[in-house]
Amino acid sequence: DVQMTQSPSSLSASVGDRVIITCRASHNISNYLNWYQQRPGKAPKLLIYAVSNLQSGVPSTFSGSGSGTDFTLTITSLQPEDFATYYCQQTYSTLIFTFGPGTKVDIK
Amino acid sequence: EVQLVESGGGLVQPGGSLRLSCAASGFTFSSYSMGWVRQAPGKGLEWIAYISSSSRHTSDADSLRGRFTISRDNAKNSLFLQMNTLRVEDTAVYYCVRVGYTNGFNWFDPWGQGTLVIVSS
Repeated sequence: DVQMTQSPSSLSASVGDRVIITCRASHNISNYLNWYQQRPGKAPKLLIYAVSNLQSGVPSTFSGSGSGTDFTLTITSLQPEDFATYYCQQTYSTLIFTFGPGTKVDIK
Repeated sequence: EVQLVESGGGLVQPGGSLRLSCAASGFTFSSYSMGWVRQAPGKGLEWIAYISSSSRHTSDADSLRGRFTISRDNAKNSLFLQMNTLRVEDTAVYYCVRVGYTNGFNWFDPWGQGTLVIVSS
């Protein structure tokens, strides 16, 4: 099975900062990689699918890149509403959808 | 508006059973695969089950060891999760998700608000 890791597990940042979160797959997953945001006490929300495709309504301050085993989520200018936990997810394995352990972004 | 509303959570004793439901609205339910994701208190997301639009294909996480069964009723726009032999470690918020797709890519969107299952004596 494909295992997902994320780094860092948490980070502290300020409004306006550029934030980069990394996701790594244990095997080549091509570009079958999604990103989700979960604000405290809320259900997760899809941000990006297939590595770099922004879901409708997601601000352009979010972007994704990568392929194969290494992927990144970039927030170019952190906003107050962006303080949340971010999860990557692989959908390469047939009918298996594995999440990464999450990266918590909090206020410095 | 696309909406998923879970129900059926609650307190159950270890070894017991529970059936979760998810009512879907705002889209053609029978055209989409669906799934369940759970989140234990203070922990990350864990995908647990998937079902194709026609119920022809299902899958679940190895960690469940076959204790949970996903099903759906397209006539009633409803998704279900039958949970048997529940353990304390099954305590979590359970989310219903729609599986979006295009060009072979899948994703989970939207998510329901979640229903809390507590397994405790």
